[in-house]
Amino acid sequence: NAGVTQTPKFQVLKTGQSMTLQCAQDMNHNSMYWYRQDPGMGRRLIYYSASEGTTDKGEVPNGYNVSRLNKREFSLRLESAAPSQTSVYFCASSATVNYGYTFGSGTRLTVV
Amino acid sequence: AQSVTQPDIHITVSEGASLELRCNYSYGATPYLFWYVQSPGQGLQLLLKYFSGDTLVQGIKGFEAEFKRSQSSFNLRKPSVHWSDAAEYFCAVGSMDSNYQLIWGAGTKLIIKP
Repeated sequence: NAGVTQTPKFQVLKTGQSMTLQCAQDMNHNSMYWYRQDPGMGRRLIYYSASEGTTDKGEVPNGYNVSRLNKREFSLRLESAAPSQTSVYFCASSATVNYGYTFGSGTRLTVV
Repeated sequence: AQSVTQPDIHITVSEGASLELRCNYSYGATPYLFWYVQSPGQGLQLLLKYFSGDTLVQGIKGFEAEFKRSQSSFNLRKPSVHWSDAAEYFCAVGSMDSNYQLIWGAGTKLIIKP
């Protein structure tokens, strides 16, 4: 089925460890996004890539880096995980903002 | 400050009853408005969107929403809910000037009583 695929679905890290969350879409969308969602809050944009070859900071970029590997793939890296980064992470893609987003099913990350 | 408020964290309705989920926003530019649904274990699915024109928009699964500029609201409605509508619903706002950044509400969890 066409859509956005995120891996892994669950991850536990120790403080200071690094990891990369992977995201791929097969809808030929130009734009891709990484969000985090915390209890009682709306999901917040970490980074986005309006098109292949470009990335920009969102609302909460500190502690994260991203790579738009090609049109299909957009990865999120935590270089040195902190407990404050415990959250559910969602990747999304869109043709343009006019057409709404398609989201992946999320990655639940716990940093201990 | 730009924000989206969904005042109800949980709503419980009986199967077959009508539903209204509230969404209020504070946004400087002309808003584009969205409702998404997330079923357990699933990704977000777009229910409907408003960009311009008719303020009553129809979406999938029998949902509709009405944009009221004077009240800064975009409430989601359904005349008769089904057990399969149990999910979490998210309102979001963006614009052509927002550089692709949507502002999200915290979500409303819908519980259906048999």
